[in-house]
Amino acid sequence: DVKVTQSSRYLVKRTGEKVFLECVQDMDHENMFWYRQDPGLGLRLIYFSYDVKMKEKGDIPEGYSVSREKKERFSLILESASTNQTSMYLCAAGDLYEQYFGPGTRLTVT
Amino acid sequence: QQQVKQSPQSLIVQKGGIPIINCAYENTAFDYFPWYQQFPGKGPALLIAIRPDVSEKKEGRFTISFNKSAKQFSLHIMDSQPGDSATYFCAASIGDDKIIFGKGTRLHILP
Repeated sequence: DVKVTQSSRYLVKRTGEKVFLECVQDMDHENMFWYRQDPGLGLRLIYFSYDVKMKEKGDIPEGYSVSREKKERFSLILESASTNQTSMYLCAAGDLYEQYFGPGTRLTVT
Repeated sequence: QQQVKQSPQSLIVQKGGIPIINCAYENTAFDYFPWYQQFPGKGPALLIAIRPDVSEKKEGRFTISFNKSAKQFSLHIMDSQPGDSATYFCAASIGDDKIIFGKGTRLHILP
């Protein structure tokens, strides 16, 4: 079974702070994804990566950046957190046939 | 149009009933249609999937019906149980490893 782990389940940060969300997969998947999940808006793709050091913008990349230095690790960075980035963040690894999701990080920005 | 429209937003069904969740799409280039199930506190997980050359697919109590001409597909849950209470997402893919998700349906099965 592919396992995707995220560094924190809950996180509270202040406006303007730099925030790092870490994601690690234990399979050899080339593709990794970051989504945010908000009630009534479903899952929206922020960024994805096809390979180490490769990144592509998703549907809502503004205010976010990513880093993929190793195949198993994909980080989401909020350069200057804002209250409208309060959300559930989900990391996934896989391909179009199946994406394996982590349990999510619920981020609150105050 | 890179969208998948899902309805209803929420659904309450008595145990044993057959909840039906509907999805529609515009882009005829979509060629893979998965459904994901998400329990509270967990990430979504693949439930069942279908390709457009098939009109129906069953896995246990879960059935996808696919209408290519209408560009619609739906999920039926037979003999629904309280343990099926979850959020369900339909999705579509164009073959480039990205999945476009619907907005989700919160399903509650009453005991």
